[in-house]
Amino acid sequence: AQRVTQPEKLLSVFKGAPVELKCNYSYSGSPELFWYVQYSRQRLQLLLRHISRESIKGFTADLNKGETSFHLKKPFAQEEDSAMYYCALFSGGYNKLIFGAGTRLAVHP
Amino acid sequence: DTGVSQDPRHKITKRGQNVTFRCDPISEHNRLYWYRQTLGQGPEFLTYFQNEAQLEKSRLLSDRFSAERPKGSFSTLEIQRTEQGDSAMYLCASSLESGRDSYNEQFFGPGTRLTVL
Repeated sequence: AQRVTQPEKLLSVFKGAPVELKCNYSYSGSPELFWYVQYSRQRLQLLLRHISRESIKGFTADLNKGETSFHLKKPFAQEEDSAMYYCALFSGGYNKLIFGAGTRLAVHP
Repeated sequence: DTGVSQDPRHKITKRGQNVTFRCDPISEHNRLYWYRQTLGQGPEFLTYFQNEAQLEKSRLLSDRFSAERPKGSFSTLEIQRTEQGDSAMYLCASSLESGRDSYNEQFFGPGTRLTVL
């Protein structure tokens, strides 16, 4: 079964602390994985995708096929990073995204 | 064109009534998706159009749900005989196809929040 699991509903950190939002997936085949973010009162938007291997707003994510994980990391959290973060898997055969339940990141001053 | 738009943004209805939502995708996008998001969950896929053809429907889409994209531009999602369990955020997304199995970024609309009393 194709599934995305985000084990943490809420991650609360202080400004400047490192952040790691966990994502595990289940997929038979070569996965395409993404992180989407939703800031307060804004729409869902793409943050980064694993194949681009780039850092966006200081965030990086590495696909670990052995552990079937795609954790999102940032070395020093900022208050403006506070948002809902969704990990998503692209199910190519069905042209759909499969989302995890999301993790709310709260960065405190 | 400032992105995907959805109308209405909020809808409150009584159980048993029919409701219809509209989605206007980004103008050159040929793919259109509907997702549903309930409280505490991520978006769940409902259905997908390529131009005017509805190519995929989730098992979540019961017989009370119907979606159309008559001219390959805007889309409507209708729910007949609404139930309290239909209360959710209904999201629309669009993308531009560039390959059969490759991922093309889906741009999301603001959503329509449905409350069934």
